[in-house]
Amino acid sequence: QKEVEQNSGPLSVPEGAIASLNCTYSDRGSQSFFWYRQYSGKSPELIMFIYSNGDKEDGRFTAQLNKASQYVSLLIRDSQPSDSATYLCAVQYSGAGSYQLTFGKGTKLSVIP
Amino acid sequence: EPEVTQTPSHQVTQMGQEVILRCVPISNHLYFYWYRQILGQKVEFLVSFYNNEISEKSEIFDDQFSVERPDGSNFTLKIRSTKLEDSAMYFCASSEARTAYNQPQHFGDGTRLSIL
Repeated sequence: QKEVEQNSGPLSVPEGAIASLNCTYSDRGSQSFFWYRQYSGKSPELIMFIYSNGDKEDGRFTAQLNKASQYVSLLIRDSQPSDSATYLCAVQYSGAGSYQLTFGKGTKLSVIP
Repeated sequence: EPEVTQTPSHQVTQMGQEVILRCVPISNHLYFYWYRQILGQKVEFLVSFYNNEISEKSEIFDDQFSVERPDGSNFTLKIRSTKLEDSAMYFCASSEARTAYNQPQHFGDGTRLSIL
């Protein structure tokens, strides 16, 4: 059973601070890792993805992957109130013919003005 | 920017009836997916579809469910004999490329299905 674990939060940070969101996964065969943002009642919106160990930066967002520790994180710099949402970690296993995403329950982020 | 479109946005149906949820994936995408999210729970995979056939399905996707690509643009999810527990948001997603590995899946706005 492939599991993706996230702290459900809420994680509260002041405006302008760095928000750090964490995710662990159970299957060592997992290959690709995605971060989605989901506002209440809305659909998941892709923020970024990573599949190599290390850091990947895109604007205010940095994804970090450590496959040895089965750990992926998302840093949001200069957090804004509009960043307040639930952040979903999704993992794609590399098994033959398997492309499905396994999602965590999400971490609710609240950015306080 | 191209997007996945889903209709209807909200569907209310009596228990036992059949519903069809519709999706138009991004035009150059080759892989199509259905996910669902019961209120307050995680997003769950239902089925993936490639080259006019199911490539993978979850335990949730039993004989009650079927998918179809009736023409070059639409991708549908049919739920027969609906149950109360089918009430959820249903998301369609699509991804580009011959291989779906390392390819982001783009989600539509979803259909909220309410079974009475």
